[in-house]
This record gives sequence, structure tokens and C-alpha cells, in this order.
Amino acid sequence: KNEVEQSPQNLTAQEGEFITINCSYSVGISALHWLQQHPGGGIVSLFMLSSGKKKHGRLIATINIQEKHSSLHITASHPRDSAVYICAASYNTDKLIFGTGTRLQVFP
Amino acid sequence: DAGVTQSPTHLIKTRGQHVTLRCSPISGHKSVSWYQQVLGQGPQFIFQYYEKEERGRGNFPDRFSARQFPNYSSELNVNALLLGDSALYLCASSPGTSDSTPRYEQYFGPGTRLTVT
Repeated sequence: KNEVEQSPQNLTAQEGEFITINCSYSVGISALHWLQQHPGGGIVSLFMLSSGKKKHGRLIATINIQEKHSSLHITASHPRDSAVYICAASYNTDKLIFGTGTRLQVFP
Repeated sequence: DAGVTQSPTHLIKTRGQHVTLRCSPISGHKSVSWYQQVLGQGPQFIFQYYEKEERGRGNFPDRFSARQFPNYSSELNVNALLLGDSALYLCASSPGTSDSTPRYEQYFGPGTRLTVT
């Protein structure tokens, strides 16, 4: 069983919809990361958080330490948001434990 | 400022051969991590180096080795290649911390796509 679980695995949306991707982890962490991977492989870090909530543009990430759960929200989704979104946990080092990713497709 | 760079971009090797992959971190970053991403799966941790010392090793066979140089660039070596080693190999850098506490986001390179035939 992976230490980091994501849902859903696949997600399709119409442009403008509000999107939520969920992530749960099995033990206490130092930080939770949300990353974006486009076709071709490049990975971009979106957020690193250990408590509360962070916002960047249309993206919002929240974490609930007690429930070992994090969510990534995309408001007013756009086709250019189509990508794989991955959550990853770091414990006592920079080593990241990755979830399996959520493939998001946003249609015009 | 240049991001994390990796070379080569693509590589095709035959079973049993050896391969060396290279990574240059962002200037000032002392921590380099290597990940293997097999098609359709999330990346798996292989190694982390900080200040030229190995800080962590994932569940990979001894055929995999790495090192970090004084300029903080890094090499990943894989011996006796198997078909199953075909994957995207990702390098990530961060400033790192002397006490190992993860305080910084990690910055990923574009990856090296290795195909073993």
C-alpha cells in the first residue's frame, strides 16, 4: 500500500468548473507537496505546505494535519490546466514519497 | 537563472550495458535527489545527496550508484542494464539544510528518458 494515496485517478471537467483533488498520507510528515507534470515529463512544484492553506492564482492547497489529508483546488479551470497533478510527502529529509497522480483533462 | 539541467535528454541502451546520467542543480543548491519514473506511475526515490554525502537511498539494487561533485552537480550510474530500467530519470535540487529538515521546495529537471532494448 502506497504511503501517499490520491483520488481521483482521472478527472475530466468543462472549462470554468471548480476542481478538487484529494491526497491522504499514512503517517506524520514534515511537509506535503503538490506538483504538476505535463506530457513529456517536466515536473513543476506548485505548493509546499505543512499547515493551513496556500493560494497562488487560481490554485489553492489546504492541509489538515490531524486528518492526514490535503486537497488541491483549481478555480475557474481552463484547458491549459490539463496535466497530471501529484501530491508527495516529505518526512525527515528532502526525499519525496509520491502519490500515483491525478490525470486532469479540462475541455473547452 | 538557469534551472536544473540534465543530460542527455534521451538515451537508448542495450541490456547489460552501463549508463551515466548527469544533473546540474540550480546555482546555490546543495541537495540533489534522483527519481525513477516508470511509464504510468509516480516517481520513485533513488538517492539523495547533500554536500557530496549520501543522505538517503531508495529500494534499488546495487547496480544503481550515484555521486555528487564539489560543484554540487551529480551523476547517476546504472550498471548491467535491464529492460525494466527503461524509465524517465528525474533529478531535483533544493538548497537543502544541514539538519536534513525539509524546508524548501524542490526544483525538477526535464529528465532523461532511458530506453533499454
